[in-house]
Amino acid sequence: DAKTTQPTSMDCAEGRAANLPCNHSTISGNEYVYWYRQIHSQGPQYIIHGLKNNETNEMASLIITEDRKSSTLILPHATLRDTAVYYCIVRVDAGGTSYGKLTFGQGTILTVHP
Amino acid sequence: DAGVIQSPRHEVTEMGQEVTLRCKPISGHNSLFWYRQTMMRGLELLIYFNNNVPIDDSGMPEDRFSAKMPNASFSTLKIQPSEPRDSAVYFCASSPRGLSSPLHFGNGTRLTVT
Repeated sequence: DAKTTQPTSMDCAEGRAANLPCNHSTISGNEYVYWYRQIHSQGPQYIIHGLKNNETNEMASLIITEDRKSSTLILPHATLRDTAVYYCIVRVDAGGTSYGKLTFGQGTILTVHP
Repeated sequence: DAGVIQSPRHEVTEMGQEVTLRCKPISGHNSLFWYRQTMMRGLELLIYFNNNVPIDDSGMPEDRFSAKMPNASFSTLKIQPSEPRDSAVYFCASSPRGLSSPLHFGNGTRLTVT
């Protein structure tokens, strides 16, 4: 899988949007961008994923640049409960029998403060 | 949906003892993954099953580790004999369509080997 680069840590004020960047300059055409987060003492939680179009769900929005070399996860109204480690992962679309590992890096520690 | 269920939540054992970790995937999911998380190495994929068959065990650290999936609703990860360096949080995850769909993680088993 292509490697990703994320800032080690970020802060955000409660109620404001949290914008978490990720660089994946060596991403291949068949690799998706996935975001997970891990709240202390819990297992990783899936947030969102996309290939090249922007995506939105009830948790977040994912903005992928046109060249697909970077992306931004947006939490529109951060709350204290969004404090977690956020992982950006690129992953091959497994399709038929091919195998794409979900490989976690070090992630971004997001701290939401009052 | 009860989610992925892991037991025990915490395990403390002495070096040399056998340890068995258990996982019940989400009903209907046909892929199961075991991960290990440590401060030094982060989240590492140990082994992946598809339709109860081990597909890739290249992440299993050594012969002391073994994993089984006797049926679609149960998997075990066994360490025999255990060593202090095996201390970590072990996560189980499942997904409905293998590597083309997001993984759902359990809350892990924290293993301490003294």
